Amino acid sequence: QVQLQESGPGLVKPSQTLSLTCTVSGASIRTGGYFWSWIRQHPGKGLEWIGYIYYSGNTYYKPSLKSRVTISVDTSNNQFSLKLSSVTAADTAVYYCARGSVLEWFGELLPWGQGTLVTVSS
Amino acid sequence: EIVMTQTPLSLSVTPGQSASISCKSSESLLHSDGKTYLYWYLQKPGQSPQLLIYEVSKRFSGVPDRFSGSGSGTDFTLKISRVEAEDVGVYYCMQSIQLPYSFGQGTKLEIK
Repeated sequence: QVQLQESGPGLVKPSQTLSLTCTVSGASIRTGGYFWSWIRQHPGKGLEWIGYIYYSGNTYYKPSLKSRVTISVDTSNNQFSLKLSSVTAADTAVYYCARGSVLEWFGELLPWGQGTLVTVSS
Repeated sequence: EIVMTQTPLSLSVTPGQSASISCKSSESLLHSDGKTYLYWYLQKPGQSPQLLIYEVSKRFSGVPDRFSGSGSGTDFTLKISRVEAEDVGVYYCMQSIQLPYSFGQGTKLEIK
């Protein structure tokens, strides 16, 4: 059973860089046919997809966040990470990691981690 | 970016009754491979989203047959027949035909 678990600081100061890690268990991050994604949810709001990384290192970022986002992968530790720079209060959200399928085309996000709340505040 | 629009944004349903949620996309979700990349998720209170329906109408493993999806092109519907208390939460539609992935605003289902 594949499981994902987010970890990282729950509090980040404005203008600093938010850094989160997602640890994958039950499957190798090198497995073909899957990509590794970050999604966030502002308090009481809907879901916003941030981007993904493939085990090879190929990435895609949501255009509106692209200038501030970096997603990286550590295959030796079966982890992938999110960095979001120059954060403001608007980046306060629950951050989820999820596995996405990519067979013939991009598919479902499944499973998801439990999510971690990151608050941006001084 | 494809915009996903859900209606209604909230629903209050008596147990045993049915509920229906609409999702409209700003562009067709039909791919040249013949598949339509529309999904439905349920986010129960305090939990991460869970997959209910993939490719418009295919129920994910373990999802009760009370849940059904339909639609094509840009118009889609999730129907829940015989609503139960465990169905409460926020329902989201999601598209993956075009990056970035995008979600509907969510529809909150409550039980009367």
